[in-house]
Amino acid sequence: QKEVEQDPGPLSVPEGAIVSLNCTYSNSAFQYFMWYRQYSRKGPELLMYTYSSGNKEDGRFTAQVDKSSKYISLFIRDSQPSDSATYLCAMTHGSGNTGKLIFGQGTTLQVKP
Amino acid sequence: DAGVIQSPRHEVTEMGQEVTLRCKPISGHNSLFWYRQTMMRGLELLIYFNNNVPIDDSGMPEDRFSAKMPNASFSTLKIQPSEPRDSAVYFCASSLGHGGSGNTIYFGEGSWLTVV
Repeated sequence: QKEVEQDPGPLSVPEGAIVSLNCTYSNSAFQYFMWYRQYSRKGPELLMYTYSSGNKEDGRFTAQVDKSSKYISLFIRDSQPSDSATYLCAMTHGSGNTGKLIFGQGTTLQVKP
Repeated sequence: DAGVIQSPRHEVTEMGQEVTLRCKPISGHNSLFWYRQTMMRGLELLIYFNNNVPIDDSGMPEDRFSAKMPNASFSTLKIQPSEPRDSAVYFCASSLGHGGSGNTIYFGEGSWLTVV
């Protein structure tokens, strides 16, 4: 079993829809949770970062972390065609000298005009 | 500002040949990461350096892979001899600090390697 599980999709939605992307994980030591967005043939770029449990909102994007369920989510409101990309969750326990992020497989999202 | 710069962007090579991928991290960043991305396995950390010192190389697949960071502005990932199963996109990334715990990791655009 992988440490981080993410449904690869693809997920196709109409423009304006609310999108929900999710990851589950098995390592209870994870404390730092991130969402990266990767456009086709580009490197991933950090979209949202959350420490421990709770919600974080940035414009149309909301990240949620539920450590008790080992479950994280990314919501995209009023989705746009420009949101079409692969979204990867990533996490780390962050303690000590480690920069090792564990990534999910990524979910491919297509927003249709 | 220049981001993480990788070269070559694309490489096609024959099985058994040596492949060298190069990376220039963002100036001032002191952590550098090499990741590999495939459809089957997703994005995997191969090795990361902090202040030019390898900290975690547990993701390096086997002895055919080696990475060096001779100075703060340059790193190489070498595969010798290359095999078709090494075909993947190799990303270099850098961050200020160790990354992950609040420090953003910035990725390059990747080196697309095909071994035939």
